[in-house]
Amino acid sequence: EAEVAQSPRYKITEKSQAVAFWCDPISGHATLYWYRQILGQGPELLVQFQDESVVDDSQLPKDRFSAERLKGVDSTLKIQPAELGDSAMYLCASSLDRGREQYFGPGTRLTVT
Amino acid sequence: GDSVTQMEGPVTLSEEAFLTINCTYTATGYPSLFWYVQYPGEGLQLLLKATKADDKGSNKGFEATYRKETTSFHLEKGSVQVSDSAVYFCARSGGGADGLTFGKGTHLIIQP
Repeated sequence: EAEVAQSPRYKITEKSQAVAFWCDPISGHATLYWYRQILGQGPELLVQFQDESVVDDSQLPKDRFSAERLKGVDSTLKIQPAELGDSAMYLCASSLDRGREQYFGPGTRLTVT
Repeated sequence: GDSVTQMEGPVTLSEEAFLTINCTYTATGYPSLFWYVQYPGEGLQLLLKATKADDKGSNKGFEATYRKETTSFHLEKGSVQVSDSAVYFCARSGGGADGLTFGKGTHLIIQP
């Protein structure tokens, strides 16, 4: 069964450093989502792509976060500089198209020290 | 804005007990409703969904009915197993363009 791949699974970084996460969606899925899940909370949407275009990034802290999906396949989420409050699980999800069922990857757990 | 409220945990039950996890949602628009399950160290897995009022989603013995009149989508299972121990998230569509709005999650612990 096809899965959403994410790497790394775990990342520890110091405050003010740059960090990047990678996501490879299920093959053929046009829509890709990045969510942030703070410990003890539900995931919150950061950004949504349709192919290579951003559909919604209203909740993305654009002063330090950036996301891209250059060829409409895999995606990278970057934080620069990282802050202590960025410690969380970063989840990637994909769906065949907008409004279709979302499949989640295993996530990247970020710890900022 | 849109929100989802679910009962706080942890919820601890004995094996074979009846399970209910309450979930209510804000009634803006015509959302689809979902229950996701997250096992330790893993991502979220879709457990069941319902797309319109009075629909019942079901999977692996779990059920939930989309109740528009009470804006609820409570998760139920007649007889839980130790393997059901996980964190359960209720969610609605409409969080952003197509993003999901999640509740805070309910940690379920089933004791043998």
